[in-house]
Amino acid sequence: AQKITQTQPGMFVQEKEAVTLDCTYDTSDQSYGLFWYKQPSSGEMIFLIYQGSYDEQNATEGRYSLNFQKARKSANLVISASQLGDSAMYFCAMRGFGGSNYKLTFGKGTLLTVNP
Amino acid sequence: EAQVTQNPRYLITVTGKKLTVTCSQNMNHEYMSWYRQDPGLGLRQIYYSMNVEVTDKGDVPEGYKVSRKEKRNFPLILESPSPNQTSLYFCASRGPYEQYFGPGTRLTVT
Repeated sequence: AQKITQTQPGMFVQEKEAVTLDCTYDTSDQSYGLFWYKQPSSGEMIFLIYQGSYDEQNATEGRYSLNFQKARKSANLVISASQLGDSAMYFCAMRGFGGSNYKLTFGKGTLLTVNP
Repeated sequence: EAQVTQNPRYLITVTGKKLTVTCSQNMNHEYMSWYRQDPGLGLRQIYYSMNVEVTDKGDVPEGYKVSRKEKRNFPLILESPSPNQTSLYFCASRGPYEQYFGPGTRLTVT
């Protein structure tokens, strides 16, 4: 079984500054994937970034990067140069690579507010 | 454009009236699944399908049915909806790494 913990229910950041959203995970799988999704107020789930457990380098996608520390079981999302449109709920998720169900296990989310 | 579509986007219904939420993907993905999202509980998997005619229960399957007669479609069926099924529902299909989510269906059962 997998578990995702996001300890920050809400975060505030000034426009153009960087922000880190925390995520820790627990799993007994040797091989797994970590994901971040963004959910704006309109409700859709938008995929942001993926990190495989055996990837040696931290994943980056534009202004998003994933700070992966395997020994600490953490997968923090870093958003650089925040924009007003980044205000949304952010979910960390993971999937174990054992078994046939590609179920994503989600954390409870962090509500990010970007202030002008 | 690669996408997952769901219909309807919004639905208000009454207890016991059967309904179907449709889901379709145009990416030829084999794996599809349904989630529900509730405040304080996050997203939880209802059912999943590995391929045509292959479906299985997720974490919260009670009160739901699914079918997978074609690869692109994976409808969610509520045969006798109850108020505790009021939720935001997402269909998803799996790509090489990430899962693509549909836009969501906000269901209210009164």
